[in-house]
Amino acid sequence: GNSVTQMEGPVTLSEEAFLTINCTYTATGYPSLFWYVQYPGEGLQLLLKATKADDKGSNKGFEATYRKETTSFHLEKGSVQVSDSAVYFCAPSGGGFKTIFGAGTRLFVKA
Amino acid sequence: KAGVTQTPRYLIKTRGQQVTLSCSPISGHRSVSWYQQTPGQGLQFLFEYFSETQRNKGNFPGRFSGRQFSNSRSEMNVSTLELGDSALYLCASSLELGDEQYFGPGTRLTVT
Repeated sequence: GNSVTQMEGPVTLSEEAFLTINCTYTATGYPSLFWYVQYPGEGLQLLLKATKADDKGSNKGFEATYRKETTSFHLEKGSVQVSDSAVYFCAPSGGGFKTIFGAGTRLFVKA
Repeated sequence: KAGVTQTPRYLIKTRGQQVTLSCSPISGHRSVSWYQQTPGQGLQFLFEYFSETQRNKGNFPGRFSGRQFSNSRSEMNVSTLELGDSALYLCASSLELGDEQYFGPGTRLTVT
């Protein structure tokens, strides 16, 4: 069946380090791809999205590119800040693919 | 524009009871999804509604049910509560199926 595999955490980085959180999915169709973020004590919110192959979603310095050939949507940021500490969820949706969230990756950024 | 609202925010029930949770989507949004969030299982999909019809369903027992009304508001019901049903239940709305979702603050259910 359809599934999503997300990099396990927690991930601990120092401020200004480079971040990559891997996400791959299996689907029979072509879903839209989303990254959601949950900051401590807050609700889930959309971070970025991409709706078709080779699209790049970006927001708050984060980027992810829709790679159809590898069915991946890895999240990257060139220089993380303490305020980026949160749980990140990869979530394919639509295109015949019901929304499934990855297990979530907890990121800790140290000053 | 008001966000997704969920009521109640907190609920304590005992085993065997039933519970109804309510969700009001963002105005104009026609799709509503429900999720269960627990520390051990993460975020698990319960069901998705669009235009009053259930379009997708997750792998939960029949004790979990839901519905959507003509104004897009949605309710979910859990009957014969078990201790393992203790969780944060999140509702999310989107304009159309497969669009980005906007989440409510959740209803925290504790079953004793």
